[in-house]
Amino acid sequence: SQTIHQWPATLVQPVGSPLSLECTVEGTSNPNLYWYRQAAGRGLQLLFYSVGIGQISSEVPQNLSASRPQDRQFILSSKKLLLSDSGFYLCAWSFLGQPQHFGDGTRLSIL
Amino acid sequence: QQPVQSPQAVILREGEDAVINCSSSKALYSVHWYRQKHGEAPIFLMILLKGGEQKGHDKISASFNEKKQQSSLYLTASQLSYSGTYFCGTERTDSWGKFQFGAGTQVVVTP
Repeated sequence: SQTIHQWPATLVQPVGSPLSLECTVEGTSNPNLYWYRQAAGRGLQLLFYSVGIGQISSEVPQNLSASRPQDRQFILSSKKLLLSDSGFYLCAWSFLGQPQHFGDGTRLSIL
Repeated sequence: QQPVQSPQAVILREGEDAVINCSSSKALYSVHWYRQKHGEAPIFLMILLKGGEQKGHDKISASFNEKKQQSSLYLTASQLSYSGTYFCGTERTDSWGKFQFGAGTQVVVTP
């Protein structure tokens, strides 16, 4: 069966520090991968998506970046975090016409 | 552009019905519906792939009008467990792999 791992569950970082969130999928090949961010009380904002290794589409211009170094690995990074980067980050995988499968999420607080 | 959801919020008494709408300005390949409880990842409810298709899950059902690029979610005889935020998500025919959520509809069911 397919599983998705996302870590860490919570993270507290100072402003200006770097960030690396990792997401891995097991049990499937060549899935579409997604990073979403959800601010408190708000909707799910699509940040990046990838339809294959090395293929990254960015939806929101910001200080975040994403990479897909392996088929089932998706990494969200930042060189310098801003206060506005706080939120609930969700990784997901799917195929066209099939449900999105979410990780448990990372709650990121910037101090 | 993300799909547009309405209403933003609805308060129901147990046993009452509600309709949540989702519309897109672009042609859609699929519409998904999810429910999210506070602090958790969204839970998949159903997916609609064909124009005019209706699907049901317990007393929650949905329709998809492909020509109008609209979908509606129907909460029938609501239960306390239906409380949460409902999101529609869409895959467009012109953006392979891109998946976007609406802003969400907060549903509160009271005894």
